[in-house]
Amino acid sequence: EDQVTQSPEALRLQEGESSSLNCSYTVSGLRGLFWYRQDPGKGPEFLFTLYSAGEEKEKERLKATLTKKESFLHITAPKPEDSATYLCAVQENTGFQKLVFGTGTRLLVSP
Amino acid sequence: DAGVIQSPRHEVTEMGQEVTLRCKPISGHNSLFWYRQTMMRGLELLIYFNNNVPIDDSGMPEDRFSAKMPNASFSTLKIQPSEPRDSAVYFCASSFGGSSWETGELFFGEGSRLTVL
Repeated sequence: EDQVTQSPEALRLQEGESSSLNCSYTVSGLRGLFWYRQDPGKGPEFLFTLYSAGEEKEKERLKATLTKKESFLHITAPKPEDSATYLCAVQENTGFQKLVFGTGTRLLVSP
Repeated sequence: DAGVIQSPRHEVTEMGQEVTLRCKPISGHNSLFWYRQTMMRGLELLIYFNNNVPIDDSGMPEDRFSAKMPNASFSTLKIQPSEPRDSAVYFCASSFGGSSWETGELFFGEGSRLTVL
């Protein structure tokens, strides 16, 4: 069974203090690994897809990387507006669109 | 463009009552997903449809849950009878099988928060 574990559960940063979020996964055949952002009271919003080990994607202050067992979401010089829950999900290489999500990392960036 | 529309946004009901959650996917999308989110278990896929046909309902917890998609622009998730452990936020998401399937980009609604007393 596919499993996704995210750490830490919660992270508090000062504005400008860079850090990384971790997503460890177990899947029989990885089609893709996805990062989503979720604001309170909202649905998740797509950020990135990574398909193979060594791949990197960037968007503003966020950079996602992928290895064979885990993914990192690096946040460089975060701002208060980056505060949200970041969700990781995996899609198995079965041809179906089923995404298995982790429980997320709640990020709070203080000014 | 309108996103995925869910109703109601909030529902408070008593144990044993029937609950119906509704979803209108993004026009042109041909896949629709129902997820449930709780603090303990995170986002869990309940069921998904492709071209209005249920493809995978292995996440539906038990017979009390049922989902329908009578046409491309409407889906319902019904719980009958409801129990306190069903309290959660229920999300509907849609995608277009094609480029968005390749990227795994699901477009989520804002969710329906269900509280069963």
